[in-house]
Amino acid sequence: EVQLVESGGGLVEPGGSLRLSCAASGFTFSDYYMDWVRQAPGKGLEWVGRSRSKAKRYTTEFVASVKGRFAISRLESENSVYLHMNSLKIEDTAIYYCTRGFRLNGRTWFDPWGQGTLVTVSS
Amino acid sequence: DIQLTQSPSFLSASVGDRVTITCRASQGINNYLAWYQQKPGRAPKLLIYSASTLQTGVPSRFSGSGSGTDFTLTISGLQPEDFATYYCQQDTSFPLTFGGGTKVNIK
Repeated sequence: EVQLVESGGGLVEPGGSLRLSCAASGFTFSDYYMDWVRQAPGKGLEWVGRSRSKAKRYTTEFVASVKGRFAISRLESENSVYLHMNSLKIEDTAIYYCTRGFRLNGRTWFDPWGQGTLVTVSS
Repeated sequence: DIQLTQSPSFLSASVGDRVTITCRASQGINNYLAWYQQKPGRAPKLLIYSASTLQTGVPSRFSGSGSGTDFTLTISGLQPEDFATYYCQQDTSFPLTFGGGTKVNIK
């Protein structure tokens, strides 16, 4: 069974840093794209960033609002992907979901999703 | 950025109703569109991808159609477990974007 489990969320002050983890199981981790999507309290979904597969050298993409502040890395030995968040802002407060990229005909869809981890940026 | 506009934002319906949600893209996106269902306190779930392909395990009462800029998600015979929020999402260009969501409530 494919499973994604996020951890690392919590309360952090503006300007602070946090690292989210997503532990994957049930599939060949290096073959898949992995994305992060967030949801501010009571709001809709916002795509945050992507780590492509090993074949694509784990290259990354980000939404403009987090570029230069967030990074994504992977640790193959742990089947884990990480979202490194720096210079956090109040507007980064959200539930952060890890999701696997389901690829077909050159397109990527999000399936499945982890349960999410809450990040609260507040003084 | 490609904007996705969903309508309506809210709708009230009864069990057994046929429900249609629309998603309009700010520019043509071929059929590179997915639909997700999210229940309160839960992670989203992929229902449909490539505009009209049902994900494995999703009931056949869900269907999707459209291409270019206009897309629809239809639920034929609403069931109690279908009351949720539905989002469309495009995979044409970065940044990947979602529609604002349509919350389906019980009438």
